[in-house]
Amino acid sequence: GAVVSQHPSRVICKSGTSVKIECRSLDFQATTMFWYRQFPKQSLMLMATSNEGSKATYEQGVEKDKFLINHASLTLSTLTVTSAHPEDSSFYICSARDSGGANSPLHFGNGTRLTVT
Amino acid sequence: EDQVTQSPEALRLQEGESSSLNCSYTVSGLRGLFWYRQDPGKGPEFLFTLYSAGEEKEKERLKATLTKKESFLHITAPKPEDSATYLCAVQAASGTYKYIFGTGTRLKVLA
Repeated sequence: GAVVSQHPSRVICKSGTSVKIECRSLDFQATTMFWYRQFPKQSLMLMATSNEGSKATYEQGVEKDKFLINHASLTLSTLTVTSAHPEDSSFYICSARDSGGANSPLHFGNGTRLTVT
Repeated sequence: EDQVTQSPEALRLQEGESSSLNCSYTVSGLRGLFWYRQDPGKGPEFLFTLYSAGEEKEKERLKATLTKKESFLHITAPKPEDSATYLCAVQAASGTYKYIFGTGTRLKVLA
């Protein structure tokens, strides 16, 4: 089955620093990847859609200058949280759809727990 | 507005005690309904996709069903290892193929 790998699984950083999270599709090519954020006991909220070779599409209310997305290859998308603050602490999860088309299910990475001190 | 509501929020079952989780949805045309399992500190793991009313899918102790307004995830004779949060998501037929997730049902199966 389709495997999505996310790294790191946990990161602690100081306020004002930047953190990069990587998302890789291991056994398939993903022209589109999705970045989600999840708060405790809450639903997954879509932050942005990452498109290989072009600019990401951000959801309403998500600051594109704070959450920089780069999708430089068919197997790698990165999310950089710039100038992180404690309110950015959350669980970030990436996902991708395998080559089965728009109706095929999303496969998720194991998430990154970001703690900003 | 497209919406997904899951109930109950939390469920405690004894091992072997069968039950059902509910996912009610309103969407402007359904492209697909998806069930996921999420363990603490992990990403969601795909379970099932349902596309049309009347469709059913099974996997081990889990069976998912779909009507025009809701989906059920039936758990037969659950075991402690079935303890997890079960998420439901819908994808609208129009627009950008986004998933709309419910807040999940936290299932705890006691030995």
